[in-house]
Amino acid sequence: DGGITQSPKYLFRKEGQNVTLSCEQNLNHDAMYWYRQDPGQGLRLIYYSQIVNDFQKGDIAEGYSVSREKKESFPLTVTSAQKNPTAFYLCASSRQGAGMDTEAFFGQGTRLTVV
Amino acid sequence: AQKVTQAQTEISVVEKEDVTLDCVYETRDTTYYLFWYKQPPSGELVFLIRRNSFDEQNEISGRYSWNFQKSTSSFNFTITASQVVDSAVYFCALSEAATTDKVIFGPGTSLSVIP
Repeated sequence: DGGITQSPKYLFRKEGQNVTLSCEQNLNHDAMYWYRQDPGQGLRLIYYSQIVNDFQKGDIAEGYSVSREKKESFPLTVTSAQKNPTAFYLCASSRQGAGMDTEAFFGQGTRLTVV
Repeated sequence: AQKVTQAQTEISVVEKEDVTLDCVYETRDTTYYLFWYKQPPSGELVFLIRRNSFDEQNEISGRYSWNFQKSTSSFNFTITASQVVDSAVYFCALSEAATTDKVIFGPGTSLSVIP
């Protein structure tokens, strides 16, 4: 079955540590996205990528980094510079820009908790 | 600036009741796209509908219907004869033609359908 796989589902991190969230898709989509979800705030865009080896910052990129070495993969690293990393992280993909006449497909998310 | 408002934070209805979820948007662009997504307890967002700014026709899909009114900048979503499986968080989203890489999500409305 085609879809987006995020791992792990739950992740605990000590303060000061970097941690990487995985996102893999087998939908052959060009565009991939990372969103952060906090209670009552909807989804906020962290980074997005329209093509391999290229990505752009979203609205809340500070403290995060990404790479897009393969079309299928778009890992997100939450660095120690992120002041409040505890949140639910969602990865998405689409055939082209998610705001164009196309829908986005989402993974099941990773819940990150800083302990 | 683009903005999406979902004034209803939480709604509870008894099964078989009809329920309308409100969405009000702000945009300066004349060409834009509106979306509704459903987020069940499992976490992933599921695409429900996409509408462009030139198509004001209301749409019905089974028990779901959408009312798009440009005059009031609203894109409301109605569930008829609600069922327990409709319990989820529902997000309204907007993107502008000029910035189609970015989809702005509203804060979401949490719907609980009580048996």
